[in-house]
Amino acid sequence: EIVLTQSPASLSLSPGERATLSCRASQSVSNNLGWYQQKPGQAPRLLIYDASNRATGIPARFSGSGSGTDFTLTISSLEPEDFAVYYCQQRSDWPLTFGGGTKVEIK
Amino acid sequence: EVHLLDSGGGLEQPGGSLRLSCAASGFTFSTYAMTWVRQAPGKGLEWVSTIGPGGSDTYYADSVKGRFTISRDNSKNTLYFQMNSLRAEDTAIYYCAKALRQAIGRDFDSWGQGTLVTVSS
Repeated sequence: EIVLTQSPASLSLSPGERATLSCRASQSVSNNLGWYQQKPGQAPRLLIYDASNRATGIPARFSGSGSGTDFTLTISSLEPEDFAVYYCQQRSDWPLTFGGGTKVEIK
Repeated sequence: EVHLLDSGGGLEQPGGSLRLSCAASGFTFSTYAMTWVRQAPGKGLEWVSTIGPGGSDTYYADSVKGRFTISRDNSKNTLYFQMNSLRAEDTAIYYCAKALRQAIGRDFDSWGQGTLVTVSS
């Protein structure tokens, strides 16, 4: 099973600041990695697929990078609606796995 | 617009059974893989099961293999999840999710609102 380790577990930032979230895979997943955002009481929302492609309707302030085992989700300038939990997910092999999440909190 | 409506959750005793449903609309259901993902209270996301577009290809997490069965009725645009031999650790919100791409069913661009399954005596 491919284990995804997200860091940090939580991030305290102010609106307008840049957020950098990390996801590390226990073995190479090539570019087969996505990022999801989840707000309290809501279902997850796909932000990024194939490591760097924004999903439909996702603002340009969200960007993804990386390949192999190390990936980054960057939010260039935090908006109030961006404070949420973010998960990475690999689709390289079964079982599909999610990282443990990074909570982005308002400072 | 894609719409997924999860239902069927509730309170069940350990060892009991539940059947979840996910009614789909707004896309050609029969051409997309579908998946169940669950989230225990206060915890992260856990992939549970995926079914291919035709229904013949199925995949399960080890934690549910042999107890849960995923299926679909493409004539009714509905996904199902038969959950048997329920355990306390199955307590979670269960989300159905649609595959992003027709040919590859392993990432998810639309999600249901979730249905809560509670296993307790």
